[in-house]
Amino acid sequence: LAKTTQPISMDSYEGQEVNITCSHNNIATNDYITWYQQFPSQGPRFIIQGYKTKVTNEVASLFIPADRKSSTLSLPRVSLSDTAVYYCLVGDISFQKLVFGTGTRLLVSP
Amino acid sequence: GAGVSQTPSNKVTEKGKYVELRCDPISGHTALYWYRQSLGQGPEFLIYFQGTGAADDSGLPNDRFFAVRPEGSVSTLKIQRTERGDSAVYLCASGQGGGFVEQFFGPGTRLTVL
Repeated sequence: LAKTTQPISMDSYEGQEVNITCSHNNIATNDYITWYQQFPSQGPRFIIQGYKTKVTNEVASLFIPADRKSSTLSLPRVSLSDTAVYYCLVGDISFQKLVFGTGTRLLVSP
Repeated sequence: GAGVSQTPSNKVTEKGKYVELRCDPISGHTALYWYRQSLGQGPEFLIYFQGTGAADDSGLPNDRFFAVRPEGSVSTLKIQRTERGDSAVYLCASGQGGGFVEQFFGPGTRLTVL
């Protein structure tokens, strides 16, 4: 499984765009990139998944450069409720188990 | 619809006791997963069921841990002779079983071993 590296923590203010970058230098050809969000006292929640270029849904955008050695989760106009831990995961689409790192703790302030 | 539910939400037990943690997956989901999360860490995989069978139990830390899913729906994680190091949040997730795709997590059971 590809090892991922992401910042331990980030701070932002309401209304700002937040970009969290994840490094995965040894990503394999068949690997996908997935992001999960976890609020305190809750299980993780799937945010977005992609293989290359850009993926956008109603919650976030995921930018993946051509070499796929990193990816950036973009959260537009964050609110206080976006304060959570964000996990970047990389794995083969056929894998069943998710391998979480320690994630990025995002704190959004008024 | 209803999400993944886990009972109890909190469990306090004494060292050496036996505990059972229950998971009710989303109806129709064939895949069920158990994870364990310690404070400040990401969830750690324990076991994966596809239907009634344990397809991957490589994450179970030792033979004190056992999980079943007899009818392919509800699952029970069983821990024998609990130790203080077993204290953690135990998370259950379910999914369509299509691989590295979206898993739906429950709120977890917080286990405290005194």
